[in-house]
Amino acid sequence: AQTVTQSQPEMSVQEAETVTLSCTYDTSESNYYLFWYKQPPSRQMILVIRQEAYKQQNATENRFSVNFQKAAKSFSLKISDSQLGDTAMYFCAFIKGGSQGNLIFGKGTKLSVKP
Amino acid sequence: DAGITQSPRHKVTETGTPVTLRCHQTENHRYMYWYRQDPGHGLRLIHYSYGVKDTDKGEVSDGYSVSRSKTEDFLLTLESATSSQTSVYFCATQSRANSDQPQHFGDGTRLSIL
Repeated sequence: AQTVTQSQPEMSVQEAETVTLSCTYDTSESNYYLFWYKQPPSRQMILVIRQEAYKQQNATENRFSVNFQKAAKSFSLKISDSQLGDTAMYFCAFIKGGSQGNLIFGKGTKLSVKP
Repeated sequence: DAGITQSPRHKVTETGTPVTLRCHQTENHRYMYWYRQDPGHGLRLIHYSYGVKDTDKGEVSDGYSVSRSKTEDFLLTLESATSSQTSVYFCATQSRANSDQPQHFGDGTRLSIL
């Protein structure tokens, strides 16, 4: 069975600085996809970034980038130039290729951006 | 986003009563999902649907049933609510089963069972 682990329950960062959120996963699959979702206090689940396992290049979306280490089964999220609006819960999620339904989430990291 | 509306947004009810949560989407996505979110657990899949009248169980399906009579609507029913089902419930949709397509989420329903 696949598992997703986020080892940092809470983190804080100063506005304009950079922060990295950790995520590791366990799987025997070779084809899979990884996602980071953001959940602000409004409770919405917002897709931040996604990575396809067979792509070696790390995904980037504006200030958000990932460090995908397939051999180490690590998928960390880096937020550059942190903004107050980045304050949220961040969830790492995994799904094996060709599979519907079985999106597996980590327990989340609560990020606070301080002015 | 994917035009997903969950209703109600909040509900308080008593143990033993039936409860139905509704998810409505306007994007004609084939795949729909129900999750629950609890502190310390992230989101866990309850049931999902891969087409009209086609549904299957997820990780935490006990005590829940679903129905999908139309593409746009996916209902989650608690036949006899228990306090352990107090949670925030999220509906999600997906356009294709290929997993490079992310799931899009509704705004959630906060359900309290007293």
